[in-house]
Amino acid sequence: GAVVSQHPSRVICKSGTSVKIECRSLDFQATTMFWYRQFPKQSLMLMATSNEGSKATYEQGVEKDKFLINHASLTLSTLTVTSAHPEDSSFYICSADGQGRTDTQYFGPGTRLTVL
Amino acid sequence: SQKIEQNSEALNIQEGKTATLTCNYTNYSPAYLQWYRQDPGRGPVFLLLIRENEKEKRKERLKVTFDTTLKQSLFHITASQPADSATYLCALAGGGSTLGRLYFGRGTQLTVWP
Repeated sequence: GAVVSQHPSRVICKSGTSVKIECRSLDFQATTMFWYRQFPKQSLMLMATSNEGSKATYEQGVEKDKFLINHASLTLSTLTVTSAHPEDSSFYICSADGQGRTDTQYFGPGTRLTVL
Repeated sequence: SQKIEQNSEALNIQEGKTATLTCNYTNYSPAYLQWYRQDPGRGPVFLLLIRENEKEKRKERLKVTFDTTLKQSLFHITASQPADSATYLCALAGGGSTLGRLYFGRGTQLTVWP
């Protein structure tokens, strides 16, 4: 149980285009989902926290107009990277809390974004 | 500013030995600390959680200690196996208004050789 999926697993896009990444909790409902970014050999950096039905809370330094987050249901959150640039190329990982338990997060497999 | 440091980028040990990984932090008062395993190109997998009022936690071959005075956690893998080779991440959870948010260290890449 407690499986989180991400789609797509890899995406390559041209500079200036927008890319949407989906994060789903497959067998449980998640009150809160988190989005992280990881550059090679670096730590996971928390980008934003999203609660179902409300606006996401962004970490300091993360542009909310560039990284749009929608948490439309208890099993789905999406991250849209708008007007992507090569410096946005990274590994994006989502996580979901375990049915309201804030001390338990289940991570997705990640999405590798490459912007040409 | 807040900082989480994992003592070394890489640790190489022989099969059967105990691997000890260190996580130090500054300017934090975490409600709890977690350890994760991450394989290349994959998301982290949860291993252990230890709360601020706990000194030690064990799970099979894994042991975690937490010293809030030293602001340090140690992660031990006993009787290590080549299959334990991976990157291990420590993560601190914020308290109060940041409850649930995790802040990660860079990780230590462990290689266990036969």
